[in-house]
Amino acid sequence: AQSVTQLDSQVPVFEEAPVELRCNYSSSVSVYLFWYVQYPNQGLQLLLKYLSGSTLVESINGFEAEFNKSQTSFHLRKPSVHISDTAEYFCAVPAPSTGGSYIPTFGRGTSLIVHP
Amino acid sequence: NAGVTQTPKFRVLKTGQSMTLLCAQDMNHEYMYWYRQDPGMGLRLIHYSVGEGTTAKGEVPDGYNVSRLKKQNFLLGLESAAPSQTSVYFCASRLTSGGSTGELFFGEGSRLTVL
Repeated sequence: AQSVTQLDSQVPVFEEAPVELRCNYSSSVSVYLFWYVQYPNQGLQLLLKYLSGSTLVESINGFEAEFNKSQTSFHLRKPSVHISDTAEYFCAVPAPSTGGSYIPTFGRGTSLIVHP
Repeated sequence: NAGVTQTPKFRVLKTGQSMTLLCAQDMNHEYMYWYRQDPGMGLRLIHYSVGEGTTAKGEVPDGYNVSRLKKQNFLLGLESAAPSQTSVYFCASRLTSGGSTGELFFGEGSRLTVL
């Protein structure tokens, strides 16, 4: 069963506009949350993660995400996007396996398309 | 530091042929994973390994086999390729010391087309 839901498959936006990419998770899973980014023709790389403490986490390139327990959400935001932010973004959670370990489970991804 | 390396990067097969994808990591990670990525489906886990000599099934294991004979290598095999296996395959690894908090490190992907 899917443990994380990304509500938008594609988000087009103009350069320098703000953007929000939405992610909701199942409340039954361990509450560690990740955002990964995939640039064209590349593998995924970690953008940011929430483990504990402050509910607002930031990346080095201006993205931020806020863990909201009551709404079971971990939406990704950026106040002003650049052309270079065009990429696929994946929300992920560690879901428990039958063997006792945790399996990184991904949402279906959101394609952010930044237009000049 | 190479990180996670996948070979080959591209391959075209005919239905019924077999092949093996190799994933190698030089970070001494315990856990390794094989995912497939298809449009609109995100990443789906095929098989994974929690250590040398151990493997386990993921969400979509049918038609694939894996082996982890050495800690640094994780092989994905297709015994009889089918057009439904046309996809981009990603290998990933992570440490166990971070528990479920550990970051995944990905290879650049292997694009497989089955005709």
